[in-house]
Amino acid sequence: DGGITQSPKYLFRKEGQNVTLSCEQNLNHDAMYWYRQDPGQGLRLIYYSQIVNDFQKGDIAEGYSVSREKKESFPLTVTSAQKNPTAFYLCASSGTDYTEAFFGQGTRLTVV
Amino acid sequence: GQNIDQPTEMTATEGAIVQINCTYQTSGFNGLFWYQQHAGEAPTFLSYNVLDGLEEKGRFSSFLSRSKGYSYLLLKELQMKDSASYLCAVETGGFKTIFGAGTRLFVKA
Repeated sequence: DGGITQSPKYLFRKEGQNVTLSCEQNLNHDAMYWYRQDPGQGLRLIYYSQIVNDFQKGDIAEGYSVSREKKESFPLTVTSAQKNPTAFYLCASSGTDYTEAFFGQGTRLTVV
Repeated sequence: GQNIDQPTEMTATEGAIVQINCTYQTSGFNGLFWYQQHAGEAPTFLSYNVLDGLEEKGRFSSFLSRSKGYSYLLLKELQMKDSASYLCAVETGGFKTIFGAGTRLFVKA
């Protein structure tokens, strides 16, 4: 089945450690996105990529990094520079013919 | 700045009709989405409006007025499973989409 997969679903890390969240899609979509969701707030765009080997900063990119070496994969690294990393992270993808986004199940990151 | 406003919470009765409003002020506009999100899960697509007017899809309808920066999502024949957050989002261009904070809908028996 086609879809978008995020792993793991829950992640715990100690403060000061970098952590990488995985996102894979087999929908043959060109565009991929990372959003952060905090309680009572909408989804905020961290990074997005329209094509392999290219990505753009979203509204809250500080403390995060991404790569897009393959069309199927768009991993997000939460670095120690991110001041408040505990949140629900959602990855999404969309095709160029229709802009509806398909979301992964999300990763809930807790930093202690 | 860019701003999308929705009510924080709404409560409605099973079998009734509810309208969730969304107003937006954005630097660009290509279209407006509505997504449904159950607690702890991924958002799922409900509708996409590009032109003014009403789009109907089963029990769900979405309306857009671009001149007023206004949209609403209409849910008919409410069911308990419709209890969820409803996210209004504007595609501003260049693959960028801005989301509102969402409206939490509680459906009671």
